Amino acid sequence: DAGVTQSPTHLIKTRGQQVTLRCSPISGHKSVSWYQQVLGQGPQFIFQYYEKEERGRGNFPDRFSARQFPNYSSELNVNALLLGDSALYLCASSLQGRNTEAFFGQGTRLTVV
Amino acid sequence: EDQVTQSPEALRLQEGESSSLNCSYTVSGLRGLFWYRQDPGKGPEFLFTLYSAGEEKEKERLKATLTKKESFLHITAPKPEDSATYLCAVQAPGNFNKFYFGSGTKLNVKP
Repeated sequence: DAGVTQSPTHLIKTRGQQVTLRCSPISGHKSVSWYQQVLGQGPQFIFQYYEKEERGRGNFPDRFSARQFPNYSSELNVNALLLGDSALYLCASSLQGRNTEAFFGQGTRLTVV
Repeated sequence: EDQVTQSPEALRLQEGESSSLNCSYTVSGLRGLFWYRQDPGKGPEFLFTLYSAGEEKEKERLKATLTKKESFLHITAPKPEDSATYLCAVQAPGNFNKFYFGSGTKLNVKP
């Protein structure tokens, strides 16, 4: 079985640009969460989607948005990129919407120059 | 605010030298405590889930334990391939699947 897949693996963008990151969860999993991991720190929660609805939102500005599609895949969009948005963006797949393990993809390394 | 603190930040061991990593948490109404392994540039790899004080889980050279305020990841006779960053996370209360992560312990096992 395929695990969580994310694309692209690496991305370089210029300040002010917009970026879209994609995630396909494990087959049968209905929940997708997004995390930001800055070098040397643990992942920080951005969003969770379950059954195509937003279930939770972390302390991130409105420049960050996400959605989940009928096939449970998800996109994370970041507008007006700042240098501080440079990080590893992780997608986590869960079977249910709460009280369950999360399995992570390999991440998308975003560099903003 | 809910917090997860891991110690030490970094740990260097000789191959075969057993040790423990610590994760202390202050979240109210713990739903679960999770341990992950993360290799450089990769996503976290799930290791264990612990739900109640006194619970223990084992996998190869790793053993995780849980008390009311902290968790330990014991590494017995580590090998160089155990070198990685070990992350601890707690599940926030609420109707969603949100995890609070610690900053991790970077383990380096020398042959």
